[in-house]
Amino acid sequence: SAVISQKPSRDICQRGTSLTIQCQVDSQVTMMFWYRQQPGQSLTLIATANQGSEATYESGFVIDKFPISRPNLTFSTLTVSNMSPEDSSIYLCSAADRSSYNEQFFGPGTRLTVL
Amino acid sequence: AQSVTQLGSHVSVSEGALVLLRCNYSSSVPPYLFWYVQYPNQGLQLLLKYTTGATLVKGINGFEAEFKKSETSFHLTKPSAHMSDAAEYFCAVSDIATGRRALTFGSGTRLQVQP
Repeated sequence: SAVISQKPSRDICQRGTSLTIQCQVDSQVTMMFWYRQQPGQSLTLIATANQGSEATYESGFVIDKFPISRPNLTFSTLTVSNMSPEDSSIYLCSAADRSSYNEQFFGPGTRLTVL
Repeated sequence: AQSVTQLGSHVSVSEGALVLLRCNYSSSVPPYLFWYVQYPNQGLQLLLKYTTGATLVKGINGFEAEFKKSETSFHLTKPSAHMSDAAEYFCAVSDIATGRRALTFGSGTRLQVQP
């Protein structure tokens, strides 16, 4: 199984600013994903982070708001841009390998509060 | 599109009682199925998964789930609840028919264990 770490673990930000969240996996993985978990709710997929190409975004999420990078097979970043209080959520990174039946391993999450 | 329904947003049981958390999926082709647990202020941990083969799968912490194709269900059970089982539980599916690697999550069930 993969071990995933995220930085920061939590942050409090002012509206209009941006925050970049880092996700590091302890082994090379094929797939990396970013999810959002709004307070008291389930997980919603933001995008699939593709190594060496642009991320694939889900309906309702756009690159200008959530730019994603994935420079290699173990690292990805998600930026939450021009934040508003509605962006207050937990952001989770996950990783999967093609050989693992799509089983995903999750990071501990980044708890973001926007004032 | 794939969907997952978890019946009961909150389930309360007494310590030592049977735990039953319900999950139904919508798909004409059986997907890969997963149960994750989320403890307060933590990321998601995989409890168990069904991909192929035996329909009764055993996971960590004494949990098991049975895949029933005729009922499109994947209910999670544990014979005897422990106080440490109190957490949020998510059922998730991976749609192998479309090749989509990301997971679709249910709305979650919060399990309370009463002493």
